[in-house]
Amino acid sequence: DAKTTQPTSMDCAEGRAANLPCNHSTISGNEYVYWYRQIHSQGPQYIIHGLKNNETNEMASLIITEDRKSSTLILPHATLRDTAVYYCITSYDKVIFGPGTSLSVIP
Amino acid sequence: DVKVTQSSRYLVKRTGEKVFLECVQDMDHENMFWYRQDPGLGLRLIYFSYDVKMKEKGDIPEGYSVSREKKERFSLILESASTNQTSMYLCASSEAGPNTEAFFGQGTRLTVV
Repeated sequence: DAKTTQPTSMDCAEGRAANLPCNHSTISGNEYVYWYRQIHSQGPQYIIHGLKNNETNEMASLIITEDRKSSTLILPHATLRDTAVYYCITSYDKVIFGPGTSLSVIP
Repeated sequence: DVKVTQSSRYLVKRTGEKVFLECVQDMDHENMFWYRQDPGLGLRLIYFSYDVKMKEKGDIPEGYSVSREKKERFSLILESASTNQTSMYLCASSEAGPNTEAFFGQGTRLTVV
C-alpha cells in the first residue's frame, strides 16, 4: 500500500469549508484513495473514496488530481461535530492507517 | 446498516491470562481486521483475514494470534497477556476487492494489570 502524507493538524472556523490535503505520490494504478475519520473514543468512520474522478456524497467531496499523486477532502460547511482525526489512505484491499490530520473546528 | 460488534467495551485482565477478544459482523463480509490504537502510535494492523480459516500477519502480530472458524466471527487471542498489550483494540470488516469501505466496531479498551 502506498504511503500518504498529511498535515499533523488544522483549524477551521465553524461554517466555513474545511480543506484537508493528502499527498500520495507513490500510489499505484489499482489503488483507491479513501478517507476515514475518528471522533474521540469511537471507531473510525468511512467518509468517501475514489479512484480517478472527483466524488461527492452527503458528508464530503473528494478532489483527486489528474496525476493521482494528491487529493483534497472538502467538508463544505464544517460544524463542531466535525472535530476529529482525518485519515487519508490508499488501499487495494487492506486498510493501513497513517497518523492523520487532527482537525479542530472553532466556534 | 452494517454492524460490527465487539464483545466488550472495557476489559481488565491479569498478566499471564489468556484473553479472547471477539468480533462479529452481520453483512457477510469476506475481509476482517484487528487493529490496536495507542497514543502517539496511531492505528496499527495486527492481523487480517480474507476468508474463513485464512489469516495474514499485519504490522505487529507478535504476542497475538487469531481465529476465523466462521465467516462472521474473527477472534483476537492474547496467549499470555502482558502490560504492554494494554490498548484500545478495534475490529473492522469489508467486502472483498478494492472498491469497498471498511466498517469498524466501537473498540475494546483492554487493561492488563
